[in-house]
Amino acid sequence: KAGVTQTPRYLIKTRGQQVTLSCSPISGHRSVSWYQQTPGQGLQFLFEYFSETQRNKGNFPGRFSGRQFSNSRSEMNVSTLELGDSALYLCASSYASEIVPYEQYFGPGTRLTVT
Amino acid sequence: EDQVTQSPEALRLQEGESSSLNCSYTVSGLRGLFWYRQDPGKGPEFLFTLYSAGEEKEKERLKATLTKKESFLHITAPKPEDSATYLCAVEGDYGQNFVFGPGTRLSVLP
Repeated sequence: KAGVTQTPRYLIKTRGQQVTLSCSPISGHRSVSWYQQTPGQGLQFLFEYFSETQRNKGNFPGRFSGRQFSNSRSEMNVSTLELGDSALYLCASSYASEIVPYEQYFGPGTRLTVT
Repeated sequence: EDQVTQSPEALRLQEGESSSLNCSYTVSGLRGLFWYRQDPGKGPEFLFTLYSAGEEKEKERLKATLTKKESFLHITAPKPEDSATYLCAVEGDYGQNFVFGPGTRLSVLP
């Protein structure tokens, strides 16, 4: 079974620009979560999508947004980039159930550098 | 608010020297505790899920245990390839998102 894929793997952007990252979950997984990982803050939850609906949101400004398509693929967008947005952005997919917690499987991440 | 702490922050072991990593959590109703391994520049790799106090899971040289307040990841006779950052995460009753701890950076020297 193919794992979670993320594109692009590396990205360099300038302050003020916007960026869109893409994630394809494991086949059959309906939940996609996004995380930001930095050396100082660790793994921080951005948002989770389930069946095209945002189900949960972390404490990030409105510049960070996302969406999920009918095939469960997801995108996240960051507008008006700031230097502090430089990080590894990780996508994770899960089978998801309200009865039994399922583990999340992570993609390789997108390394975003803002200059 | 759900919180997860991990100790130690970093650990250096000689090959074959067994040890344990700690994950302490505060959560409103634990639905699951998860252990991951992360190599530099890569996404976390799933290791174990624990659901209730007293539960244990094993995989090769790793064994995870769970109490009502903490979880331990025991590493028996580690090898250099076990060097990585080990992360734990909890999922509580409220919300469906994971809360991750800061991780323990393990180095196993040959």
